[in-house]
Amino acid sequence: QQQVKQSPQSLIVQKGGISIINCAYENTAFDYFPWYQQFPGKGPALLIAIRPDVSEKKEGRFTISFNKSAKQFSLHIMDSQPGDSATYFCAARIQQTSGSRLTFGEGTQLTVNP
Amino acid sequence: DAGITQSPRHKVTETGTPVTLRCHQTENHRYMYWYRQDPGHGLRLIHYSYGVKDTDKGEVSDGYSVSRSKTEDFLLTLESATSSQTSVYFCAIRNRDSYGYTFGSGTRLTVV
Repeated sequence: QQQVKQSPQSLIVQKGGISIINCAYENTAFDYFPWYQQFPGKGPALLIAIRPDVSEKKEGRFTISFNKSAKQFSLHIMDSQPGDSATYFCAARIQQTSGSRLTFGEGTQLTVNP
Repeated sequence: DAGITQSPRHKVTETGTPVTLRCHQTENHRYMYWYRQDPGHGLRLIHYSYGVKDTDKGEVSDGYSVSRSKTEDFLLTLESATSSQTSVYFCAIRNRDSYGYTFGSGTRLTVV
């Protein structure tokens, strides 16, 4: 049972375009929403993250938009570059007495054509 | 990768054999995690540890066990490997100065 739903599964964008990846969650106990970027043969790397008391966070060309009432958040990559071609995962964190745990979305394979 | 080493990087094993994957970290992090990555499923938590000898199950723990006898090592064991356990396995640590996790480079396991 996937608690974080991610779409689309794959995305092709032209260089200079905007890439948008969406995620939705059900559990209102999630308190932190990171995005990870993964290149082939590597482990996922933290890209950008947001807390639910903020509606938007921007770091360079990457922006997270967060809609708490709709339980949705999205990653926007402005001026997409071929070097952005990777797999992107959204995630959501829940706190437990034994520590925190991240639940990941299914992943989006982004291809940016030159 | 923030002092995280996974071994082996690749392994091919036969169905029914036991397999142990190792995650080693050098920065004294308290929290360590094992995930598996499969197409269409993203990363799914197998087990995690919140201290020496303290572990808990994740969402796909059946068929796996873990041990953490010292802070730096977190071992994942497949007692009797099955083809459904063919996957890429990632170890992660929780960063102390943020909410983020740092992942190792992964172990690609093939069960034939």
